[in-house]
Amino acid sequence: DAKTTQPPSMDCAEGRAANLPCNHSTISGNEYVYWYRQIHSQGPQYIIHGLKNNETNEMASLIITEDRKSSTLILPHATLRDTAVYYCIVRVRTGYSTLTFGKGTMLLVSP
Amino acid sequence: KAGVTQTPRYLIKTRGQQVTLSCSPISGHRSVSWYQQTPGQGLQFLFEYFSETQRNKGNFPGRFSGRQFSNSRSEMNVSTLELGDSALYLCASSFMESTEAFFGQGTRLTVV
Repeated sequence: DAKTTQPPSMDCAEGRAANLPCNHSTISGNEYVYWYRQIHSQGPQYIIHGLKNNETNEMASLIITEDRKSSTLILPHATLRDTAVYYCIVRVRTGYSTLTFGKGTMLLVSP
Repeated sequence: KAGVTQTPRYLIKTRGQQVTLSCSPISGHRSVSWYQQTPGQGLQFLFEYFSETQRNKGNFPGRFSGRQFSNSRSEMNVSTLELGDSALYLCASSFMESTEAFFGQGTRLTVV
């Protein structure tokens, strides 16, 4: 079973920041938080990952709470092309650990 | 840099037939994983290959098999197809085990 909980859907206005929450209260000390997204009928796209520090790349920012029990993916200026299902996944980075996808959050960006 | 390439993109097969799907990973990537996506079950892990050896396997029947070649390209095979095998099959490659995985566009298999 997925170790994360995400809201099933969220809406965001184009140009505004999209803040997608994820709860991972049972995360272990060696597990990272990964975010992927899947635009309809395409393969999932890697967005970002982090362990305990906040991370930022050209796509998004990842904010992880100090107790690591939850995190937020931030898309600073959402566009219509950001409409997708966003998956929050926790996994270790050693051995042969798989990506366990839950149901994710369907983000709808509207004009 | 070319991404993960999966062929074919679409496939229609008849119940009872077998099918082989192909995946070419990103150059330099040595790990290849396969996933099945259906509307009912979502994205489910099938298996992972690294250095031509299956390292991890999901909860799928033995009709699902795979292999990896010395150039890291991978194939998966489904024998005795059932209607329920209709799905989007996704391949992901990563540089090493458990590093970031990058997915291909998938092969849409329809079993009739």
